[in-house]
Parts: sequence; structure tokens; C-alpha cells
Amino acid sequence: DGGITQSPKYLFRKEGQNVTLSCEQNLNHDAMYWYRQDPGQGLRLIYYSQIVNDFQKGDIAEGYSVSREKKESFPLTVTSAQKNPTAFYLCASSPGTGVPYGYTFGSGTRLTVV
Amino acid sequence: GEDVEQSLFLSVREGDSSVINCTYTDSSSTYLYWYKQEPGAGLQLLTYIFSNMDMKQDQRLTVLLNKKDKHLSLRIADTQTGDSAIYFCAETLLYNNNDMRFGAGTRLTVKP
Repeated sequence: DGGITQSPKYLFRKEGQNVTLSCEQNLNHDAMYWYRQDPGQGLRLIYYSQIVNDFQKGDIAEGYSVSREKKESFPLTVTSAQKNPTAFYLCASSPGTGVPYGYTFGSGTRLTVV
Repeated sequence: GEDVEQSLFLSVREGDSSVINCTYTDSSSTYLYWYKQEPGAGLQLLTYIFSNMDMKQDQRLTVLLNKKDKHLSLRIADTQTGDSAIYFCAETLLYNNNDMRFGAGTRLTVKP
């Protein structure tokens, strides 16, 4: 079955540590996205990528980095510069722009600072 | 503040209808979406509507759009306990669905 796989489901980070969240899709989608979800708030866009080797900052990119070396993969690194990283992180994909497909989401990674 | 606004909580009895409301801000050609999120999971696309439509029905789900008031609603008929979840309203521009704006989500609780 096609879909998006995020791993790990739970992740714990120590202060000052970088961690990388994995996102893999087998839907042959061109566009991929990373969102952050905090309780009682909507989803906020961190980064998105429309094509391999290209990505754009979203609303809250500071303290995060991404890469898009393969169409299927869009890993997110939460760096030590992100001062409040505890949140639920969601990866999504879509076939591209201009059509109302909506996004397909992964099941999320819950990151906690310890 | 949010570009897309929703009330945070709704509680209904099993078998009743649920109506979840949303207001959006962009008057440009827009697609509007409803997503469902169950605990600890990602978002699942339920339905979408283009802004030149007034209504869309899909089994127990009815979406109503009042473009003049920029008001969107999702009606769930015969609500079941399995419908308990957070429901997100979202909007995009026609040719820029890299800018999907989400509301804060409405937590629907269905009581037996």
C-alpha cells in the first residue's frame, strides 16, 4: 500500500543535541512538507519541497534544516538552535500544485526534550 | 491570529448530528478542506470543496460553504463514537497549494 512513513514515533532529545526525523513516501508525489503541531494550535509549516534538491522555508524554519536528495525522502533535522522543540511533527506530501488533491500525512513523530 | 478560525470543542450525543464551523479569510479562488485527526495519528483528508460550490455531500458528511460570509461547515449525520477526533479546516489558493492554512482544530467528543 502507498503511503508516508515517519520514524521514529517517539523521540527524546537532550539539550544541545541535534536530532533527525525521517519521512519516506512511496506515492510518487513531487511535493513534501513538514509541519509542527502544538496543543490547541493549528499546524505550522516548517519547510516544504516541490522537487528534488530544492526546498523552501515555511513560517517557522528557524532552528530546523531539511534535505531532499531523493524524491521519496524528506528528513527534518531539529538543531540545538531550536529553543522549544517539544512538539508533534507531521510530514505530508502531495502530487503537486494546481490541483485540489489535499495532502497525505504520515502518522507523526512526537519529540520531547529531556 | 489564525487565518482560519474554528471553535476548539464540540460535544454531542451518539446518533445526533454534529456541525463543525470554520471561517476563513482569503477571498481568492480557494479550495477548502476538512481533515480528521485521531489521537496520536496524522491527519486524514475527509473531503474538500471549491469556492464556487455551495454544498457537497458524501455519505454522512455534508459540507456547506457561504462564500459571502467566508463560512464553512461540516455536518456529520448520525454521529458515532468513532467520529470522536479533532477536525481541521484548511484553505489553499488555486495555484498555490504549497500554502495550506489550517485552523486550530475542533475536538469533537461523542458521548454514548
